Amino acid sequence: AQSVSQHNHHVILSEAASLELGCNYSYGGTVNLFWYVQYPGQHLQLLLKYFSGDPLVKGIKGFEAEFIKSKFSFNLRKPSVQWSDTAEYFCAVNSKTGFQKLVFGTGTRLLVSP
Amino acid sequence: AAGVIQSPRHLIKEKRETATLKCYPIPRHDTVYWYQQGPGQDPQFLISFYEKMQSDKGSIPDRFSAQQFSDYHSELNMSSLELGDSALYFCASSSGSSFTDTQYFGPGTRLTVL
Repeated sequence: AQSVSQHNHHVILSEAASLELGCNYSYGGTVNLFWYVQYPGQHLQLLLKYFSGDPLVKGIKGFEAEFIKSKFSFNLRKPSVQWSDTAEYFCAVNSKTGFQKLVFGTGTRLLVSP
Repeated sequence: AAGVIQSPRHLIKEKRETATLKCYPIPRHDTVYWYQQGPGQDPQFLISFYEKMQSDKGSIPDRFSAQQFSDYHSELNMSSLELGDSALYFCASSSGSSFTDTQYFGPGTRLTVL
């Protein structure tokens, strides 16, 4: 069965620090990869997605992620975080040929202190 | 831009009661997904519809049923509610059943079962 694991459940950073959130997936086929963000009390919003092509994808609000096929990873990065980035971040995957539903990781709760 | 609309936003029910959650997809989106997010958990896929037909089914209890109507809105019917059904229920929509279609999430319905 397909699964997604996010290594960091809670991350605390100071403003201007760099961010990297890990995401690994388990699935034998080709996948689409997503990062969603959930601000406190709000719904899931798409940060970025990878379908094919350049493995380095850029999203909104200065976020980027790199797909490394050999490592089954899709880590999220941001060079300099802001207090407004405080949120929960979910990595998700669906399959190009199998399942269309999104399978989510357990989420990483990021707290950025001013 | 128009987004996914869910109603009601908040719902409080007693055990063994029934609840109906509604989802209105983004205009011209024909695929709807339902996810359940328990407290502190990641979203779990329940069920999806494409062109008014069920397209996939996840961990949806037999007490729950759902359908998609001719105008593409969807309703999730929940009967014999249990305390464990308390969660945030998200609806997402996409255009078409292609695996590269991005799912856009609604604000969710927070269901509390007392």
